Amino acid sequence: EVQLLESGGGLVQPGGSLRLSCAASGFTFSSYAMTWVRQAPGKGLEWVSDISGSGGSTYYADSVKGRFTFSRDNSENTLYLQMNSLRVEDTAIYYCAKSRSGLGTTFDHWGQGTLVIVSS
Amino acid sequence: AIQMTQSPSSLSASVGDRVTITCRASQGIRNDLGWYQQKPGNGPKVLIYDASSLQSGVPSRFSGSGSGTEFTLTISSLQPEDFATYYCLQDHNYPRTFGQGTKVEIK
Repeated sequence: EVQLLESGGGLVQPGGSLRLSCAASGFTFSSYAMTWVRQAPGKGLEWVSDISGSGGSTYYADSVKGRFTFSRDNSENTLYLQMNSLRVEDTAIYYCAKSRSGLGTTFDHWGQGTLVIVSS
Repeated sequence: AIQMTQSPSSLSASVGDRVTITCRASQGIRNDLGWYQQKPGNGPKVLIYDASSLQSGVPSRFSGSGSGTEFTLTISSLQPEDFATYYCLQDHNYPRTFGQGTKVEIK
């Protein structure tokens, strides 16, 4: 059974940093692209970033480009989202999700999310 | 970036009703579109991929159609467990973009 478990969320001041993790199990981790999607309170879904199975290719939403870094450790079956220079508008639930195969394919499994609050 | 315009933003329907939700892309995206369902407090769940392919385990009352710029999600007979918010997502190019969502409520 595919499982994705996010962690690392919390309260941080504007300008601060946070690192989210997503522990994956139940599939051959390195064979699949992965993604982060976020949802601000009471709002819709916003795609944040994708990473290829090898970790060699990454893509970012303009809203986070230059501030967030998506990486993966295929030996530990874990994703990381390093978030720097956080803004109030980054407040959201952050979900990791698994792609059906490579980059640009549907997200077929999702975690339950971790809440990030950026506030002074 | 490709804009995905989803309509309606909300609808009220009864159990047994046929429900249709539409997504329009600002440019052609072939069939590179998925539909997702989200219930309060939960992560999204994929229903349809490649515009019309039913994800394994999803009831057959859900169907998707369309290509190019216009896409439809249809629920043939609404069930109590289908009251949720639905989103489309284009997989055609980066940045990926979601529709604004359609909240399906009980009439």
